Amino acid sequence: DAKTTQPPSMDCAEGRAANLPCNHSTISGNEYVYWYRQIHSQGPQYIIHGLKNNETNEMASLIITEDRKSSTLILPHATLRDTAVYYCIVETGGYQKVTFGTGTKLQVIP
Amino acid sequence: DGGITQSPKYLFRKEGQNVTLSCEQNLNHDAMYWYRQDPGQGLRLIYYSQIVNDFQKGDIAEGYSVSREKKESFPLTVTSAQKNPTAFYLCASSTMTGRREKLFFGSGTQLSVL
Repeated sequence: DAKTTQPPSMDCAEGRAANLPCNHSTISGNEYVYWYRQIHSQGPQYIIHGLKNNETNEMASLIITEDRKSSTLILPHATLRDTAVYYCIVETGGYQKVTFGTGTKLQVIP
Repeated sequence: DGGITQSPKYLFRKEGQNVTLSCEQNLNHDAMYWYRQDPGQGLRLIYYSQIVNDFQKGDIAEGYSVSREKKESFPLTVTSAQKNPTAFYLCASSTMTGRREKLFFGSGTQLSVL
């Protein structure tokens, strides 16, 4: 599996956009970028995924660079309920194990 | 509502005791996973199963065992061989329609040693 690198922590003011970066310089052509988040003491929740095009859903936007070596998850208007650990993972989505790193702890500040 | 149910939410283990964590899903998903999470750490894969009666070891399988006798159930046994079992355990599932889709997680079981 490709390895991802994320900053351990970030702060964001409530109401502002939260931009969470992820480096995945060894990503393969058939690997997708997935984002999940985990609120304290709960199971992780899927947010969004993409291959090479930018994606948007009701929760967030995903921007993937043209060379696919990095991506950014954007929460357009962060709220206190967005305080969580955000995980970026890359995988093919096939019959294989799925591994998580340590993620980015996002703190939304009032 | 469809989802994944983990039980119990809290579990205590005595020295030398085996304990079993339950994971049930009614999403009709083929694949199921068990992860371990230590405080302040990410998720580490213990075991995963892509189909009934088949499962593979993850990165930290030693001291754990699983079974997959039914599609909807994937129990995890923490054996006495696991010397440091205190952790938060998460079960997940996903569908496999052509390619694996997103993971759905349960709410977790916190296991502590008495």
